[in-house]
Amino acid sequence: DQQVKQNSPSLSVQEGRISILNCDYTNSMFDYFLWYKKYPAEGPTFLISISSIKDKNEDGRFTVFLNKSAKHLSLHIVPSQPGDSAVYFCAASEDYNTDKLIFGTGTRLQVFP
Amino acid sequence: DAGVTQSPTHLIKTRGQQVTLRCSPKSGHDTVSWYQQALGQGPQFIFQYYEEEERQRGNFPDRFSGHQFPNYSSELNVNALLLGDSALYLCASSRELAGGYEQYFGPGTRLTVT
Repeated sequence: DQQVKQNSPSLSVQEGRISILNCDYTNSMFDYFLWYKKYPAEGPTFLISISSIKDKNEDGRFTVFLNKSAKHLSLHIVPSQPGDSAVYFCAASEDYNTDKLIFGTGTRLQVFP
Repeated sequence: DAGVTQSPTHLIKTRGQQVTLRCSPKSGHDTVSWYQQALGQGPQFIFQYYEEEERQRGNFPDRFSGHQFPNYSSELNVNALLLGDSALYLCASSRELAGGYEQYFGPGTRLTVT
């Protein structure tokens, strides 16, 4: 049972444009959501997070939106840069104070010039 | 600060053998979690160690066991290896902060079972 789903395995975006990565979840107990970026031969790197009491969190070029009623979150990157090309994972946990994470399967983002 | 380090980087084992993977946490971190990432999948939580005890466990069989040492470093042991155990094994270290936690992942150990 995949509790966190990323239905788009890949996304290709032109440099300067907006990248939108989507994530759906099924467990209504999830309380905290995170996005990670992963380059080849490296571990996942934390990007941005959002707790269930908010519907938006912004950090520089990265914004995460949470729609609890739809059990959906999205990551917006604007403007996209070639260095953003990586695999992006959505993750969730049932408790803001625990780091036991349930990950999605990832979306490979390619930003081309 | 070297961050989270893992050894070895790559490992090839035969079905039925046993393997030990090692993780050194980031300085100041006291909690270590292990994840298994199969090809094309997201990381799956195996277990977490805090104060030298297993604090949480994911849906993995008893063939997967671990240990945390007084210096917070950790080992992941897998017995009776199966072909399906081939994966990238990620270690993450963390510490609690006010209102949350800080977590960093290591680069992983690539295990191939033949």
